[in-house]
Amino acid sequence: GAVVSQHPSRVICKSGTSVKIECRSLDFQATTMFWYRQFPKQSLMLMATSNEGSKATYEQGVEKDKFLINHASLTLSTLTVTSAHPEDSSFYICSARDLRQNYGYTFGSGTRLTVV
Amino acid sequence: RKEVEQDPGPFNVPEGATVAFNCTYSNSASQSFFWYRQDCRKEPKLLMSVYSSGNEDGRFTAQLNRASQYISLLIRDSKLSDSATYLCVVNTGFQKLVFGTGTRLLVSP
Repeated sequence: GAVVSQHPSRVICKSGTSVKIECRSLDFQATTMFWYRQFPKQSLMLMATSNEGSKATYEQGVEKDKFLINHASLTLSTLTVTSAHPEDSSFYICSARDLRQNYGYTFGSGTRLTVV
Repeated sequence: RKEVEQDPGPFNVPEGATVAFNCTYSNSASQSFFWYRQDCRKEPKLLMSVYSSGNEDGRFTAQLNRASQYISLLIRDSKLSDSATYLCVVNTGFQKLVFGTGTRLLVSP
């Protein structure tokens, strides 16, 4: 089945620094990938849709200059959290859909970001 | 009103019990529906899609009622390993998934 690899799984960084998270589709091509954020005991919230070769589409309330998304190839999307603040600490998850399958979206294993 | 609503639980059931979760969604134009399972501090994993005709996968049965905008998941013969959070997920179009907050299930010996 479709596999999405996400790295790193856990990162601790200092306030003001930037953190890059990678999301790779391993056995399929994904023209579109999705980035979610999940705070404790809350649902996953879509942050942005990453489009290969074009600009990402951000959800309302998500700062595009803070959360930089790059989707330079059909198998890789990156999310960079710039000038991280403690309130950015969260669980970030990417997902993609293998269009060869008729259903379901595959998720990466997530990145737990802690900003200190 | 939330786009996808679920009872957060927790549902505490003994092994072997049958348990049902419900979910309602607000967007009548929603196109596809899923149940995902999420273990603590892990990513969601697809449990099953939900079809209008209803569908079953082993001990799991999912139902969709478009008229009432209601989705259900039934788990029979609960196992300890079924303990997790079950997420109701709706595709509202343009590949946008909306997640419920999840229903937590605890199966005890």
